[in-house]
Amino acid sequence: AQSVTQPDIHITVSEGASLELRCNYSYGATPYLFWYVQSPGQGLQLLLKYFSGDTLVQGIKGFEAEFKRSQSSFNLRKPSVHWSDAAEYFCARRGSGGSNYKLTFGKGTLLTVNP
Amino acid sequence: GAGVSQSPRYKVAKRGQDVALRCDPISGHVSLFWYQQALGQGPEFLTYFQNEAQLDKSGLPSDRFFAERPEGSVSTLKIQRTQQEDSAVYLCASSLAPRSYEQYFGPGTRLTVT
Repeated sequence: AQSVTQPDIHITVSEGASLELRCNYSYGATPYLFWYVQSPGQGLQLLLKYFSGDTLVQGIKGFEAEFKRSQSSFNLRKPSVHWSDAAEYFCARRGSGGSNYKLTFGKGTLLTVNP
Repeated sequence: GAGVSQSPRYKVAKRGQDVALRCDPISGHVSLFWYQQALGQGPEFLTYFQNEAQLDKSGLPSDRFFAERPEGSVSTLKIQRTQQEDSAVYLCASSLAPRSYEQYFGPGTRLTVT
């Protein structure tokens, strides 16, 4: 079955430091991949998505992600973290075949930003 | 324009009670989805509507869960005889196109069953 794995449950970084959140996916030739952010009491907001083409995708709020087929990874990065980036981050993939509207999410990574 | 809205934002129910959770999608969005997010987990798919037709209810965890979208706009997720394991955040999402993975999420309803 298709799955998305986020190996890090909780990450703490200092404000201004760089950030990388890991995401691995299983199964699928060319997965459609997404990163969402969820702030407390808020819904999921789409940061960026990858469908095909350039493997480095830019998103909102200064985030970017790189698709690496050889590693089955789609890691999210930001060069300099701001305190407002503290939130939970979810990696997701689109379903396949007739269920391609379904999103399968990882368990999330909680980001804490220290001043 | 307005995003997806959900009500109530918080609901506390005693075990055995029935609850109804409402979702107002973005106007004109054909597709509507419900997801369940348990504590410490990512959202999990429950059901999908295209207009008023419920095309996929494979994720509903039991026959106590029922969803409807009678006029192809507002949707209601109903849970009968709530159990403690139903405690979760219920997220609604909508998208413009049929069967679209580009979904816009509402803030969710946090259900606590005591």
